[in-house]
Amino acid sequence: SSDLTQPPSVSVSPGQTASVTCSGAKLENKYVSWYQQRPGQSPVLVIYLDRKRPSGIPERFSGSNSGNTATLTIRESQAVDEADYYCQAWDGIHYNVFGTGTKVTVL
Amino acid sequence: EVHLVESGGGLVQPGGSLRLSCVGSGFTFSNYWMGWVRQAPGKGLEWVAIIKQDESETFSVDSVKGRFTISRDNAKNSLFLQMNSLKADDTAVYYCARVEETTATTSDAFDIWGRGTVVTVSS
Repeated sequence: SSDLTQPPSVSVSPGQTASVTCSGAKLENKYVSWYQQRPGQSPVLVIYLDRKRPSGIPERFSGSNSGNTATLTIRESQAVDEADYYCQAWDGIHYNVFGTGTKVTVL
Repeated sequence: EVHLVESGGGLVQPGGSLRLSCVGSGFTFSNYWMGWVRQAPGKGLEWVAIIKQDESETFSVDSVKGRFTISRDNAKNSLFLQMNSLKADDTAVYYCARVEETTATTSDAFDIWGRGTVVTVSS
């Protein structure tokens, strides 16, 4: 199966921009989703189809996908953005794989 | 409001079985692909299985093939995961999740999640 590799942690200052990467073979040929999981809570979809935001997700969240790397960008980071973030893509039709996860710290 | 509520978790011995259930409300359950995702203690998310609206197609991760079976009852707005031959490595929170309808042919983005049910496999 394909692996989706993410950095274990990313730190960002309040008000600054955080970027979380997700690397995998030929990732640009797949659609990537991103999930936010706060401590003790269920995951929340924040980006799908590389760059679309579900209803209710702030515009501060955006996504891109190029080459072998997809990126989740969080502009104007706030304390509420502190969470684990996971990317997800297909590894074969309907065979899903999640990334290794990134802990975003706002400090 | 859209909800998914899981049940059926618990403590089971290695080699034992459990059947997880998930009930959906606030949406037309029969219109959506549905799936299970698990998370071992302190670990990341792992996709487990997915099922088409009419049960005609199912897919699962290799580590559970032959042991876990996903199914659904649209008349009862319910999703199930029958888990047999359980191993310690199956210990996790099991989430039920709905596939966002525009992504079912491209990427299976899970747009609604339940709160999860805990499965512990231990002697």
